[in-house]
Amino acid sequence: DGGITQSPKYLFRKEGQNVTLSCEQNLNHDAMYWYRQDPGQGLRLIYYSQIVNDFQKGDIAEGYSVSREKKESFPLTVTSAQKNPTAFYLCASRSTSVETGELFFGEGSRLTVL
Amino acid sequence: RKEVEQDPGPFNVPEGATVAFNCTYSNSASQSFFWYRQDCRKEPKLLMSVYSSGNEDGRFTAQLNRASQYISLLIRDSKLSDSATYLCVVNHRGSTLGRLYFGRGTQLTVWP
Repeated sequence: DGGITQSPKYLFRKEGQNVTLSCEQNLNHDAMYWYRQDPGQGLRLIYYSQIVNDFQKGDIAEGYSVSREKKESFPLTVTSAQKNPTAFYLCASRSTSVETGELFFGEGSRLTVL
Repeated sequence: RKEVEQDPGPFNVPEGATVAFNCTYSNSASQSFFWYRQDCRKEPKLLMSVYSSGNEDGRFTAQLNRASQYISLLIRDSKLSDSATYLCVVNHRGSTLGRLYFGRGTQLTVWP
């Protein structure tokens, strides 16, 4: 079955540690995205990538880093510079060959900083 | 002004009621429009795309008003299982390719 897989689903981290969230898709989508969602809030864009080896900052990129070495993979690193990293992180992908292409989401990764 | 705005609610309605949500967007060049549904602590899932002529899927009807720059979602004969947050999503023509804009979501609770 085609889809997006995020891991881990739940993650606990001590302050000052970096952590990397995995996102893999087998939908052959060019565009991939990382969003952050806080309780009662909407989705905020962290980073997005339209093509391999290229990515752009979203609205809240500070304290995060990404890479896009393969079409299928778009990992997100939450660095110690991110001041309030506890949140629900969602990875998504989309076909850019269709202008009206919908966004497909992974099941999310819930990060808690202790 | 935010790109996409929604009334956050909450909307609390009895089973069988009809409820409507609106969403306004600021960029007149917006091209693609979607309604997503998000259950508590889950990922958003596409409910329906919104087409220029309006479209219907069972109890759900989506409409687009380009002149006033808003889209709407109408739910008829509400079910308990419709309780969720509904997200409005907009894509701009000619924008940085692939960038979509989300509203904060409208929370719906259907009670028995």
